[in-house]
Amino acid sequence: ETGVTQSPTHLIKTRGQQVTLRCSSQSGHNTVSWYQQALGQGPQFIFQYYREEENGRGNFPPRFSGLQFPNYSSELNVNALELDDSALYLCASSFDRGSGELFFGEGSRLTVL
Amino acid sequence: DAKTTQPNSMESNEEEPVHLPCNHSTISGTDYIHWYRQLPSQGPEYVIHGLTSNVNNRMASLAIAEDRKSSTLILHRATLRDAAVYYCILRDIDAGNMLTFGGGTRLMVKP
Repeated sequence: ETGVTQSPTHLIKTRGQQVTLRCSSQSGHNTVSWYQQALGQGPQFIFQYYREEENGRGNFPPRFSGLQFPNYSSELNVNALELDDSALYLCASSFDRGSGELFFGEGSRLTVL
Repeated sequence: DAKTTQPNSMESNEEEPVHLPCNHSTISGTDYIHWYRQLPSQGPEYVIHGLTSNVNNRMASLAIAEDRKSSTLILHRATLRDAAVYYCILRDIDAGNMLTFGGGTRLMVKP
């Protein structure tokens, strides 16, 4: 059974650029959530996708957007990058949209200069 | 959102039991209590969750107070691999998979 995989693992962007992060969910999971973790803090919920539709959103601006594909993999897009967007971005998949049992990937470390 | 309070850090000796406390005095009747842990350089890992009754699984036990205003995660025999940040999280049944992480407890395990 393949776990949650994310790519890229590390990347560096400059302020104002756009970034796309990718996530392959665990086999059999139909729900994907994205979290942002700043250095030294706990993860913060960005949004959740269930069967290709956004199914919940945290306190993040519209320049954070996402997609979920028919195979339940997912993308997180961030436009107009700001310095404060530097963080570890975590993807998590689950069997359904309300189980609370999430399987996290190892994250994509984004640095914005 | 209901909040949780955990000690910033705790220390344990290897092969001894560890009791990690969590206070959640404003918990509502529809809040589940979840525990996750995060090892260095890894994503969080699900540990256990419960609603009212104590729960056991292969990783840990969760003891929930009768009034549900506090809970304790019990690691029966700490190993060096258990050194991590442990997060106690309340999740409303209607909140989907939205987890609100706090600061957590950093557990250090001494050999």
